Amino acid sequence: AQSVTQLDSQVPVFEEAPVELRCNYSSSVSVYLFWYVQYPNQGLQLLLKYLSGSTLVESINGFEAEFNKSQTSFHLRKPSVHISDTAEYFCAVKSPGGSYIPTFGRGTSLIVHP
Amino acid sequence: DAGVIQSPRHEVTEMGQEVTLRCKPISGHDYLFWYRQTMMRGLELLIYFNNNVPIDDSGMPEDRFSAKMPNASFSTLKIQPSEPRDSAVYFCASSQLDRGRNTGELFFGEGSRLTVL
Repeated sequence: AQSVTQLDSQVPVFEEAPVELRCNYSSSVSVYLFWYVQYPNQGLQLLLKYLSGSTLVESINGFEAEFNKSQTSFHLRKPSVHISDTAEYFCAVKSPGGSYIPTFGRGTSLIVHP
Repeated sequence: DAGVIQSPRHEVTEMGQEVTLRCKPISGHDYLFWYRQTMMRGLELLIYFNNNVPIDDSGMPEDRFSAKMPNASFSTLKIQPSEPRDSAVYFCASSQLDRGRNTGELFFGEGSRLTVL
């Protein structure tokens, strides 16, 4: 079985401050890891993903996440947030193979204040 | 290529009425998922299909909910009769799951916001 824990339901920060959104997973097999973002009144869209190779993955808008196998974590970071980053962020885990489907965390609401 | 298309975007109905939500997945995707999102319960997987066949419907809350996928390009989620506690945003997502360059990624529609009075 696979599961995802997002430790913070809400993270308020000021604009231009750094932010970290935490994600821990459990799985008995190897994993793919994902971060999705949901802007207000929209569906979820992929932000970044780890499938294999380099443990540090980056998105086009400045977010990055690092796969840490020993700590079973995939935390999302950004060194300087913008008002437009205000959104809900979901971590998801999936094991390779067609019999596995993604499992999503409860989501973390990032609120960026001016 | 068009994304996942859901309709209606908003639905307001009265308790007891039948509600039908529709989804057109991305062409070529062989997995289709229905999710429900509420403040209280977050994002819940209701049911998913593979090659038009329902694989797991254990997330469907009760018999009032049913889902069909008559062909590869269309799916419906039906609630009959609807109740106020069914008020939520319902998302459809499609995927190739373990094939192609988008391995593992789900593509979501913009959702159908249901309000049952």
